[in-house]
Amino acid sequence: DQQVKQNSPSLSVQEGRISILNCDYTNSMFDYFLWYKKYPAEGPTFLISISSIKDKNEDGRFTVFLNKSAKHLSLHIVPSQPGDSAVYFCAASDNAGGTSYGKLTFGQGTILTVHP
Amino acid sequence: AAGVIQSPRHLIKEKRETATLKCYPIPRHDTVYWYQQGPGQDPQFLISFYEKMQSDKGSIPDRFSAQQFSDYHSELNMSSLELGDSALYFCASSLPHQGNTIYFGEGSWLTVV
Repeated sequence: DQQVKQNSPSLSVQEGRISILNCDYTNSMFDYFLWYKKYPAEGPTFLISISSIKDKNEDGRFTVFLNKSAKHLSLHIVPSQPGDSAVYFCAASDNAGGTSYGKLTFGQGTILTVHP
Repeated sequence: AAGVIQSPRHLIKEKRETATLKCYPIPRHDTVYWYQQGPGQDPQFLISFYEKMQSDKGSIPDRFSAQQFSDYHSELNMSSLELGDSALYFCASSLPHQGNTIYFGEGSWLTVV
């Protein structure tokens, strides 16, 4: 049962354009969402997060949007750069007990390729 | 800045052997998480510790055990290794009640032959 889904296995974008990565979730108890960037054989690198009390969070070129009613979030990268090419994972947590923030449920990942 | 340190980075073991992975969290982080990522799969949560006590348990086999020590480093012990245990094992750490930012280590590659 995949509770966090990234339905696009890959995305190809031209340098300078916007990259939009999508993520859907089914568990309505999730209250915190994170995006990670990952290179092969390396650990995930934290990019940006959003709490369920917000619908938008921005950090430089990265913006995450959350639509709770649709159980959907997206990561926008503007402008996209070749160095952004990596696998992007969406993750969610259900902080029921206050110590469960790090118990993340990951999506399958989306391979982003930014062409020069 | 100091990151999460994992050792060893690569480990090759034979079936039925035992392996131990170590994780040193970012200084002042007292919450540690272990994840397993099999080939072509997304990371799966195994277990977590907060202040040296187990705080959450995920899909961790009974053959695996873990603990967090007084200096907050953690060790994942895997016994009776099976071929299916071959994976990248990640450790992550965060400040208490600030899982808003969970930082991952580079991972330890375990290959069981």
